[in-house]
Amino acid sequence: DVKVTQSSRYLVKRTGEKVFLECVQDMDHENMFWYRQDPGLGLRLIYFSYDVKMKEKGDIPEGYSVSREKKERFSLILESASTNQTSMYLCASSAGTGVYEQYFGPGTRLTVT
Amino acid sequence: DAKTTQPNSMESNEEEPVHLPCNHSTISGTDYIHWYRQLPSQGPEYVIHGLTSNVNNRMASLAIAEDRKSSTLILHRATLRDAAVYYCILRDVSTGANNLFFGTGTRLTVIP
Repeated sequence: DVKVTQSSRYLVKRTGEKVFLECVQDMDHENMFWYRQDPGLGLRLIYFSYDVKMKEKGDIPEGYSVSREKKERFSLILESASTNQTSMYLCASSAGTGVYEQYFGPGTRLTVT
Repeated sequence: DAKTTQPNSMESNEEEPVHLPCNHSTISGTDYIHWYRQLPSQGPEYVIHGLTSNVNNRMASLAIAEDRKSSTLILHRATLRDAAVYYCILRDVSTGANNLFFGTGTRLTVIP
């Protein structure tokens, strides 16, 4: 079974802190994604990566950066957390560029106070 | 990617079939139709996908209209564990990108 794991289920940080959200997948997938999910807005894509050291902006990249140094790991970085970044963050991975399903992690609920 | 329209919510009685509709009137010839669902407190999970022909798997069936402007996800016997938000998503394989656009989906409530 494909497994996508995220470093924390719940996280509380203060405004201005630097925040790292880690995601690891164990299926040697090329593609990895970071989404945020907010009530009434569905899932919105922040960044994605289709190869090591490659990254592409999604729909809402402002205030975020990412890092992919190894194929299995994709990190989302909030350089200076703000209260409007309080959200559920979901990581996903998929194989190749064809019609492949995305596998999601359980999510990290981040609260910025 | 072309957009989809789904009802905000639907209800079904347990052990009855459920038909979840999706409209995608601007679908292109290279758009695949994907369905995902999100159970409470979990990440989304893949349900099924198709291009032109109807598709069946262990979870559900996907019925695609002949003009491809709409589709229906069919759960043959709803259980309480099927209560979730169901997302209908189009993905254009010609772009090479593998990201999916999730709308707000349909929240399915299953009544015991």
